[in-house]
Amino acid sequence: AQSVTQPDIHITVSEGASLELRCNYSYGATPYLFWYVQSPGQGLQLLLKYFSGDTLVQGIKGFEAEFKRSQSSFNLRKPSVHWSDAAEYFCAVLRGSYIPTFGRGTSLIVHP
Amino acid sequence: GAVVSQHPSRVICKSGTSVKIECRSLDFQATTMFWYRQFPKQSLMLMATSNEGSKATYEQGVEKDKFLINHASLTLSTLTVTSAHPEDSSFYICSAIAGQKNEKLFFGSGTQLSVL
Repeated sequence: AQSVTQPDIHITVSEGASLELRCNYSYGATPYLFWYVQSPGQGLQLLLKYFSGDTLVQGIKGFEAEFKRSQSSFNLRKPSVHWSDAAEYFCAVLRGSYIPTFGRGTSLIVHP
Repeated sequence: GAVVSQHPSRVICKSGTSVKIECRSLDFQATTMFWYRQFPKQSLMLMATSNEGSKATYEQGVEKDKFLINHASLTLSTLTVTSAHPEDSSFYICSAIAGQKNEKLFFGSGTQLSVL
């Protein structure tokens, strides 16, 4: 069965430091991959997505992610974190033809 | 870009009452919409897939008589929590899929349901 693993429940970084959030997937073929951000009590906002082509994907708010087929990973990165980036981050995969499966999420805490 | 509007954003109701949550695709037609439930500090759990003009497909363990889904038009899906109880209190999010390969997924802003 297809699955998405976000191994880190919480990540704490200092403002201005770099960030990497991990995501691994289990899928027979190259899936569609997404990263979403959720602020408390809010819906989900798409940060970026990968379907095919260039494996380094640029998103909004200065985020990027790299698809690595050999590692079945799609890690999210940001070179310099801002306090406003504190939120919950979800990696997602489209399984089957269109049903999205989400990882459990990683909570980002930003220290001033 | 495409937008999914979800209403209400927050609702408080008494135990035993029913609550309806609406999910609208504003500038595109969504033949398929999804309803998710999210508990605090947890991921989104898919409840059901809503298909326009047909019965919803429920995930295992989700009571279809408890969570009624209606997708009567290409732009509107509704989730009705019937005879709500405190354990139904949760954050409910809808999403709609679009694109030639169904690769675009748009989310509503969510509904926080609190059952007293």
